[in-house]
Amino acid sequence: DAKTTQPTSMDCAEGRAANLPCNHSTISGNEYVYWYRQIHSQGPQYIIHGLKNNETNEMASLIITEDRKSSTLILPHATLRDTAVYYCIVRAHFGNEKLTFGTGTRLTIIP
Amino acid sequence: GAGVSQSPSNKVTEKGKDVELRCDPISGHTALYWYRQRLGQGLEFLIYFQGNSAPDKSGLPSDRFSAERTGESVSTLTIQRTQQEDSAVYLCASKEALPANEQFFGPGTRLTVL
Repeated sequence: DAKTTQPTSMDCAEGRAANLPCNHSTISGNEYVYWYRQIHSQGPQYIIHGLKNNETNEMASLIITEDRKSSTLILPHATLRDTAVYYCIVRAHFGNEKLTFGTGTRLTIIP
Repeated sequence: GAGVSQSPSNKVTEKGKDVELRCDPISGHTALYWYRQRLGQGLEFLIYFQGNSAPDKSGLPSDRFSAERTGESVSTLTIQRTQQEDSAVYLCASKEALPANEQFFGPGTRLTVL
């Protein structure tokens, strides 16, 4: 699986959009971008995934650059409950089943 | 419906003892995963089950670690002769058959080896 690079930490004001970047310059054509988050003392929670088109669900939006070498997870209206570590993961959809987690971005929502 | 459950939630043991950690996946999920998370670090993959077979055991750190799954449901991760470096949170996840891709995680078991 391709390696990802994320900032170690970020702050965002409550109610504002939180934009979390991820670099994955070695991504290959069959690899998807996944985002998970881990709230303190809980197991990771799936957020969203995509291949090359932008994706949106009830939790977040995922913007993938045209060259697919980077992406941004957007939480449109951050709340205090969004404080968590956010992991960007790149993996093929089929075959290798495991998720390879880096150290992620610690997002703190400021009241 | 019920999510992934793990037991015990916390386990404190002495160095050299054996421990068993249990995972109950979501009913009907054919895939089951074990991960380990040391304090302040990301998750390390340990083993993956598809049904009752384990096609990927590449993450097990030593032969002291083993896992089994019976009846395509419950899985047990066993650590023999525990060492202090085994202290971590052990997380279990389950997933429906392909093409589903979302892994659902349990709350984890916090293992402390004294």
